[in-house]
Amino acid sequence: AQTVTQSQPEMSVQEAETVTLSCTYDTSESDYYLFWYKQPPSRQMILVIRQEAYKQQNATENRFSVNFQKAAKSFSLKISDSQLGDAAMYFCAYRSQGSGSRLTFGEGTQLTVNP
Amino acid sequence: DVKVTQSSRYLVKRTGEKVFLECVQDMDHENMFWYRQDPGLGLRLIYFSYDVKMKEKGDIPEGYSVSREKKERFSLILESASTNQTSMYLCASSRGQARTEAFFGQGTRLTVV
Repeated sequence: AQTVTQSQPEMSVQEAETVTLSCTYDTSESDYYLFWYKQPPSRQMILVIRQEAYKQQNATENRFSVNFQKAAKSFSLKISDSQLGDAAMYFCAYRSQGSGSRLTFGEGTQLTVNP
Repeated sequence: DVKVTQSSRYLVKRTGEKVFLECVQDMDHENMFWYRQDPGLGLRLIYFSYDVKMKEKGDIPEGYSVSREKKERFSLILESASTNQTSMYLCASSRGQARTEAFFGQGTRLTVV
């Protein structure tokens, strides 16, 4: 079974600075997808960024980018120019290729942004 | 906008009661999921469904069952609620393709007393 591990329960960053959240996963598959989701205090989960395992290029969405290391099974999220609105719980998630596959989440990292 | 609606935001039930948590999505998604969220444990998959009447156990199915009689509705059932089932429950849905985004409901905070 696939597992996802986030080893940082809490992180903090100063406004306008850069922070990196870590995620590792375990799988024997070669085709899969990785996601970062954000859960603000409102509890509404939203997708931040997605990475296809077959793509070597790291995904980027505005201030959010990933460092995907397939051999190391590592998938970190970098937030640049942090804003107060980035404060949230961040979850890393894994989904294997194929329809009807399960979506597996990590333990989450609580990010605090200090003004 | 995709909408995933959970029937209750907060729920208090007594030990031994049968509890139904309802989830409805309006985007014709094939896949639906039920998770429980506990501090330090993240989101743990209880059950998921990839089609009407089809279901698969997740990582923590004990004490729960599910029902998917219609494509848009996925119900989580606690046959006999216990205090260790006090938690936040999140429902999600997605298209069948694995790369697609999952959309979540607002969550149900269930307290079993």
